[in-house]
Amino acid sequence: DGGITQSPKYLFRKEGQNVTLSCEQNLNHDAMYWYRQDPGQGLRLIYYSQIVNDFQKGDIAEGYSVSREKKESFPLTVTSAQKNPTAFYLCASSIWTGPGNQPQHFGDGTRLSIL
Amino acid sequence: QQQVKQSPQSLIVQKGGISIINCAYENTAFDYFPWYQQFPGKGPALLIAIRPDVSEKKEGRFTISFNKSAKQFSLHIMDSQPGDSATYFCAATYTGGFKTIFGAGTRLFVKA
Repeated sequence: DGGITQSPKYLFRKEGQNVTLSCEQNLNHDAMYWYRQDPGQGLRLIYYSQIVNDFQKGDIAEGYSVSREKKESFPLTVTSAQKNPTAFYLCASSIWTGPGNQPQHFGDGTRLSIL
Repeated sequence: QQQVKQSPQSLIVQKGGISIINCAYENTAFDYFPWYQQFPGKGPALLIAIRPDVSEKKEGRFTISFNKSAKQFSLHIMDSQPGDSATYFCAATYTGGFKTIFGAGTRLFVKA
């Protein structure tokens, strides 16, 4: 059954600690995305990647880093520089076919909290 | 800068009624307008989508109405059911599909 797997479902971060959120997809999608969701603010784009070994900053990239070493995987690291990391993080993927748009498929998210 | 404005923030509808959620956008570089449905603790899932060369699209009880000149689009849920209770997001994707901007969401509650 194809889909996007995010882990862990819940994550706690201590002050000054970096944490990494996992995102794996078996949909053979080229593009992958990370969003942050806060109450009443919708989804805001952190980073996105169209192909392996390439990624672009979204609207709120400060304090976050990503890598795209494999087509299936797009991990997100929340660094200690991100002062307000408590949020629901969503990973998504889509087919990338150049001009034209495709819907994004989302995982079930990781809820990150500060200890 | 909020490029996609969504209203209302919350909505309560009687079972069998019509739910209407509205969105407005500013940037004419958008050319794909999806709606997503999200249940608590889950990721959003695509509900229905429209491109600007079409004024209306219907799938079952869900209809998108699109007004290109007014830069507005809306979701109508006919015969609303308690199972439709969820948060709905409108969105707009830039030409070429690089970025999608989401509205702030509408929490819909359908009373039985």
